[in-house]
Amino acid sequence: TAGITQAPTSQILAAGRSMTLRCTQDMRHNAMYWYRQDLGLGLRLIHYSNTAGTTGKGEVPDGYSVSRANTDDFPLTLASAVPSQTSVYFCASSKETDQPQHFGDGTRLSIL
Amino acid sequence: GESVGLHLPTLSVQEGDNSIINCAYSNSASDYFIWYKQESGKGPQFIIDIRSNMDKRQGQRVTVLLNKTVKHLSLQIAATQPGDSAVYFCAESDLGRRALTFGSGTRLQVQP
Repeated sequence: TAGITQAPTSQILAAGRSMTLRCTQDMRHNAMYWYRQDLGLGLRLIHYSNTAGTTGKGEVPDGYSVSRANTDDFPLTLASAVPSQTSVYFCASSKETDQPQHFGDGTRLSIL
Repeated sequence: GESVGLHLPTLSVQEGDNSIINCAYSNSASDYFIWYKQESGKGPQFIIDIRSNMDKRQGQRVTVLLNKTVKHLSLQIAATQPGDSAVYFCAESDLGRRALTFGSGTRLQVQP
């Protein structure tokens, strides 16, 4: 079915290593987002992209980078992972920025 | 900073009863509000949204009420079913900011 695909579903990563979380949507949505969700907390925005070719910083951008080379893909990169980046990462997209966001099923990342 | 919060962390209801989940927000400039349902191991699922020019919106078995005077949002679920058991998040944004701020969630438990 159409939607958002995130990969991997889970990963254990040594501190200091780099990692790219993948996100692909097939709904031709213009806007895409990356959130992290920590235990007992709501989602916090890391980075967003209103349209292909543009990106912006969210609430907690430090230690993360993104790119938006095309409409469908919005990868999130951790250049040098630290234990505080242990979290569940959700990718989302919306047709436009003022419309509901639709989420993938997340990547569970543990940094040791 | 601005925040969105919830009054009750856990709500337990009997199957068939109506459920009401409450949410307070602090940003008086917020003009878009949305409710999500999140089941274990899944990403948030869109339920219903409302803009600030409305005070009530209905969907299938769900109603969202917005009281801008006291900055309060509620989600009403009619005839609650076991499948409604999940964590519910409210989120808000102002359309100029184009980013959602999430509350920390309320767990709804439906007793058979």
